[in-house]
Amino acid sequence: SQQGEEDPQALSIQEGENATMNCSYKTSINNLQWYRQNSGRGLVHLILIRSNEREKHSGRLRVTLDTSKKSSSLLITASRAADTASYFCATDRRADSSYKLIFGSGTRLLVRP
Amino acid sequence: EAGVAQSPRYKIIEKRQSVAFWCNPISGHATLYWYQQILGQGPKLLIQFQNNGVVDDSQLPKDRFSAERLKGVDSTLKIQPAKLEDSAVYLCASSLRLRDPARGTDTQYFGPGTRLTVL
Repeated sequence: SQQGEEDPQALSIQEGENATMNCSYKTSINNLQWYRQNSGRGLVHLILIRSNEREKHSGRLRVTLDTSKKSSSLLITASRAADTASYFCATDRRADSSYKLIFGSGTRLLVRP
Repeated sequence: EAGVAQSPRYKIIEKRQSVAFWCNPISGHATLYWYQQILGQGPKLLIQFQNNGVVDDSQLPKDRFSAERLKGVDSTLKIQPAKLEDSAVYLCASSLRLRDPARGTDTQYFGPGTRLTVL
């Protein structure tokens, strides 16, 4: 079953604008990760935020985590056409005797030149 | 550093046929994962290995899917017989270790995937 659910499912913005994607999850987590997937390609890790962190930055990316609301957001500032991709949140949780990443269904971002 | 390699990139088969996918993880990565990604959805974990041992295969349809990682390096995923609903992209990923005590599940590095179409 999917643990994280991204919102919105699709987002279209103009180059230079900011893009915000949200992720909600259901159970407690150890960390939350964001990945990007370009069309026809594998996923690329963007950023990891631990459950005891509230905000993290990496270049034009800003991730927030609110464990009380079980939600996270990914902000891409000054978007570029090359940012066009699908973005997935993945929550790290314990299942039985192992740990696994549970991916959401993704947000498809289109950045128009 | 070479990334995760997968082959073939595309495969078209008819239902009830068999198919196999191959994955070569990043050198030195102990943990290997196989995911199934159906169009419009996020990846779903099928199986994960730590070296050559299975850590989690709870979501693997064992009546038709099998996977092995004999020497703790390369891995193969097989479907026999295939069904229409198996049409998806099969992604292989690897990580240095299963878990980092400080951060949780380690960062995973994905291959380009194999797009399977079952007719």
